[in-house]
Amino acid sequence: DIQMTQSPSTLSASVGDRVTITCRASQSISSWLAWYQQKPGKAPNLLIYKASSLESGVPSRFSGSGSGTEFTLTISSLQPDDFATYYCQQYNTYPRTFGQGTKVEIK
Amino acid sequence: QVQLQESGPGLVRPSETLSLTCTVSGDSINAYYWSWIRQPPGKGLEWVGDIYYSGSTNYNPSLKSRVTISVDTSKNQFSLKVSSVTAADTAVYYCARENSRNLFDYYYMDVWGKGTTVTVSS
Repeated sequence: DIQMTQSPSTLSASVGDRVTITCRASQSISSWLAWYQQKPGKAPNLLIYKASSLESGVPSRFSGSGSGTEFTLTISSLQPDDFATYYCQQYNTYPRTFGQGTKVEIK
Repeated sequence: QVQLQESGPGLVRPSETLSLTCTVSGDSINAYYWSWIRQPPGKGLEWVGDIYYSGSTNYNPSLKSRVTISVDTSKNQFSLKVSSVTAADTAVYYCARENSRNLFDYYYMDVWGKGTTVTVSS
């Protein structure tokens, strides 16, 4: 299985901050990476697919980059609605695997 | 717009079989892959398996011997069965659609159901 490792596990930030979350794959996954946002009690919501493609309807302050084994999710200016947990997920090979999650908290 | 709805018992006895159904509305089940994902309380996401509308399946090896996913195109539904459940199978279970934007792109999960909580307890 491909292991996905996110860092940090928890991130404390303020509204307006630029936030970056890193995701590393244990082997190359090309650009087959998605990012999801999950709020408590809710299903995950797709933000980014193919490492850097913004899903329709997702605010442009979210962006993704990377390829191979190193990827980042950036929120350019953190908004109150962005406090949530973020997961990366590889879909290069089976089984699909997720990172352990990064919780973005209010500082 | 496409919507997914999970349904099934919220309580399952240990050693019995967990059975869930995902009903797809607003789109045909044909021409997509369909996934099951679960999330134990307070933990991260675990992919369980998926099925193509034609019936071909892929399973997580960690669960493979206990999991069966099937599809009923006439009802626009797909289903999950997990046998010999234990407390470790207690989780919120999500169904999701897998989609790709281009012909040669791989499939990612773009639409999710709201999830259903399954507790394994006697």
